Amino acid sequence: QKEVEQDPGPLSVPEGAIVSLNCTYSNSAFQYFMWYRQYSRKGPELLMYTYSSGNKEDGRFTAQVDKSSKYISLFIRDSQPSDSATYLCATSFNKFYFGSGTKLNVKP
Amino acid sequence: SQTIHQWPATLVQPVGSPLSLECTVEGTSNPNLYWYRQAAGRGLQLLFYSVGIGQISSEVPQNLSASRPQDRQFILSSKKLLLSDSGFYLCAWNPRSSSYEQYFGPGTRLTVT
Repeated sequence: QKEVEQDPGPLSVPEGAIVSLNCTYSNSAFQYFMWYRQYSRKGPELLMYTYSSGNKEDGRFTAQVDKSSKYISLFIRDSQPSDSATYLCATSFNKFYFGSGTKLNVKP
Repeated sequence: SQTIHQWPATLVQPVGSPLSLECTVEGTSNPNLYWYRQAAGRGLQLLFYSVGIGQISSEVPQNLSASRPQDRQFILSSKKLLLSDSGFYLCAWNPRSSSYEQYFGPGTRLTVT
């Protein structure tokens, strides 16, 4: 079983839609949960992180962790074409574990 | 501020040729350093990580090797490339004190022909 599982998509939504990206993880010892955004042919960039359970909001982005179900989510409100990218979830415990990424396309 | 550099940006090499990719980090000291490979449409595969000069841990046995000759320099090498070595190679660093921050370089796209 992989440490982090992520639906690869692709996910295509109209501009202005609410986007929900999700991952599951296997090890209850994981404490930090991160989301990275990767534009085509670029390196991933850290978008936001959460520690333990709960929500964290940054502008149009909300990261949510449910440790009871080992579920990680990223919500994007009022999605924009510039949000079109691959989103990778990640966690860390001694080292980093990444999901395979979900490709998002926001259509104008 | 910290910056991570990788070069070259793109590389086309024939099978059996050697490889050397270089990564340097600026603006920090004693970083943990990583090499990842990302195949098309797939996730990040950790190849090597280093917690200090000369200290290399290998995650996947293969024909690649890594070296850290200086604190902020990380090199990925191969003596003879295989077709399966094609991919997008990413260098990354994270501060020793952080369990969540990891910063990636711009990547090197390698095509082995």
